[in-house]
Amino acid sequence: GAVVSQHPSWVICKSGTSVKIECRSLDFQATTMFWYRQFPKQSLMLMATSNEGSKATYEQGVEKDKFLINHASLTLSTLTVTSAHPEDSSFYICSASPQGYEQYFGPGTRLTVT
Amino acid sequence: KQEVTQIPAALSVPEGENLVLNCSFTDSAIYNLQWFRQDPGKGLTSLLLIQSSQREQTSGRLNASLDKSSGRSTLYIAASQPGDSATYLCAVVSNTDKLIFGTGTRLQVFP
Repeated sequence: GAVVSQHPSWVICKSGTSVKIECRSLDFQATTMFWYRQFPKQSLMLMATSNEGSKATYEQGVEKDKFLINHASLTLSTLTVTSAHPEDSSFYICSASPQGYEQYFGPGTRLTVT
Repeated sequence: KQEVTQIPAALSVPEGENLVLNCSFTDSAIYNLQWFRQDPGKGLTSLLLIQSSQREQTSGRLNASLDKSSGRSTLYIAASQPGDSATYLCAVVSNTDKLIFGTGTRLQVFP
């Protein structure tokens, strides 16, 4: 149980385009979903927290107009990187929490912007 | 602001050794602490979760302890194997419900 999927697992896009990453909780309902970013050989940095049906809460320093988060249902959250640039290249990981405190992580999405 | 640090940053050992990975956090007001494993280019696998009221948790060859008052946790790996090679991350949950991750320990176990 407690499986979280992400799609796509990797994506290459050209600078200036937008990319959407999906995060799904497959066998439970997630009241809260989290989006993290991880640079090579570094730890995970929380980007934003989203609750179903409400606006996401972004961490300090994260541009909300660049990283659009939508949590439309209890099993799906999406992260859209708008007007991507090479510096947005990173590993993006989502997690989902059914009740708070414990989070279940997706396998991650590798984004490369050329 | 909660900060989580892990020592050592990297560790390379021969197969069979018992290992201790360290995690320290600056704010002792935590709800729980969790240890994760991350293989290269992959997501996170939860290994052990210790509630703030607990002192330790065990799963197979893994044992994690928590000393909340001193802001420390250790992950003990018994009889290490090459398959244990990965990055190990500790993370704490404070009153904001957010996971704050440590810097990670990259472990390599060679045959």
